[in-house]
Amino acid sequence: NAGVTQTPKFRILKIGQSMTLQCTQDMNHNYMYWYRQDPGMGLKLIYYSVGAGITDKGEVPNGYNVSRSTTEDFPLRLELAAPSQTSVYFCASSYGLSNQPQHFGDGTRLSIL
Amino acid sequence: AQTVTQSQPEMSVQEAETVTLSCTYDTSENNYYLFWYKQPPSRQMILVIRQEAYKQQNATENRFSVNFQKAAKSFSLKISDSQLGDTAMYFCAFNPGNEKLTFGTGTRLTIIP
Repeated sequence: NAGVTQTPKFRILKIGQSMTLQCTQDMNHNYMYWYRQDPGMGLKLIYYSVGAGITDKGEVPNGYNVSRSTTEDFPLRLELAAPSQTSVYFCASSYGLSNQPQHFGDGTRLSIL
Repeated sequence: AQTVTQSQPEMSVQEAETVTLSCTYDTSENNYYLFWYKQPPSRQMILVIRQEAYKQQNATENRFSVNFQKAAKSFSLKISDSQLGDTAMYFCAFNPGNEKLTFGTGTRLTIIP
């Protein structure tokens, strides 16, 4: 059972480039999330999804886009990379019940130069 | 908006000793959920323990236990018989019942051999 899988693990982008961070889960969770973790900080919610075809903004959505065409996949897109988006990105999923924990991927370390 | 405060950026303790990590939060909700996550150097986010606000009994998971003080809005984590593998960042997280987690800034715990 793979859980939540994120690719790539590391990436360096130039300012203005675009890329998609991939996230897939095999636990049949309805809820999926994208977080960013800046150095020395906790995780901040970028976007989340409560099911296929439904997405909503979190605390820090600017500069990002998401889509949810299937239950398993929840990609995060950066359209015009900026240095402020240098961070570690985590994807997570859950059953959607508040007392149930979120299961996290291993993260993607992204540097914008 | 909910906030989570971890006032101890770093802590260290000798192996086999007991350590307590502090967490306070601010909310106007009556029913909510609290979590402690561990992030070892591997970067993976691992659930340590969770507490439901309507339950008066403090949660316990093996060597990990919490001291939940609802009136004081305090949720501390106690690690007994600490082990080298407990070295990690520890994040307190709050869920007001809408599946959105708010994280604290973390406490870096080092277990000294």
